[in-house]
Amino acid sequence: ELKVEQNPLFLSMQEGKNYTIYCNYSTTSDRLYWYRQDPGKSLESLFVLLSNGAVKQEGRLMASLDTKARLSTLHITAAVHDLSATYFCAVPLGNTDKLIFGTGTRLQVFP
Amino acid sequence: GAGVSQSPSNKVTEKGKDVELRCDPISGHTALYWYRQSLGQGLEFLIYFQGNSAPDKSGLPSDRFSAERTGGSVSTLTIQRTQQEDSAVYLCASRIASGNTIYFGEGSWLTVV
Repeated sequence: ELKVEQNPLFLSMQEGKNYTIYCNYSTTSDRLYWYRQDPGKSLESLFVLLSNGAVKQEGRLMASLDTKARLSTLHITAAVHDLSATYFCAVPLGNTDKLIFGTGTRLQVFP
Repeated sequence: GAGVSQSPSNKVTEKGKDVELRCDPISGHTALYWYRQSLGQGLEFLIYFQGNSAPDKSGLPSDRFSAERTGGSVSTLTIQRTQQEDSAVYLCASRIASGNTIYFGEGSWLTVV
C-alpha cells in the first residue's frame, strides 16, 4: 500500500523567513506532484517532478525529488503572506494515474 | 471553457436521495479523474477514465457510486441513496494525453442532511 506523508502538518512562519516542507512516500515512483489549495478553492498545480534529481522553481517556491530516498521537498524562500495556503504532494500508485495524496501542509505566513 | 468545469457547485440533498454531479473537462483532454475531499479522509481517488479504455473504478467506496463518461468528454458521477458520510467536495480533474499536469475543477460541494 502506498503511503504519502507530509510534514509538518501545520506551519506558521514569519514573512521573510525560509522553510521546507517534506513529502515522504513508501513505494517506488518516478513522478511526484505538488499542489496548492486556498480555502474553499480547488487544487492548483504547482510542479510536476518527473525524474530523480528533478528540481523546479517558480517564484519563491522550489521543489525537488529524490526517488532513491522517496522524498520530495518544497522549499519556501523569503515567505510572503500570499503564500498562505495548504500544500499537497501526490504520488501515482504504481504505473497508474491514480494519485495518492499526502495529508497536506497548512502554511500560514504572518507579518 | 478554459478550465475544468463542474456543476452544481453546491448541492444540499436529503439522506436517501440520488444525486448527479457533472464534470466538463478541458477540451481535448482524454484523461478524466474524480476525487473526493473530506475533513476526515483527505483527498481520495474515486475513478479514472482514459480515452476508450475501461475505467479504473477501484476507488469507488460502494456500489452506490457510479460514473460514466459520454463521448469521451463530459462525465457524470452518480451517488444513489445518499448517506451523511457522502458529504464532501467532489473534485474532477483532467489531463491531456501527451502531458503530465493534472488540472482540477472547482469542485461540487455535497451536503447530505
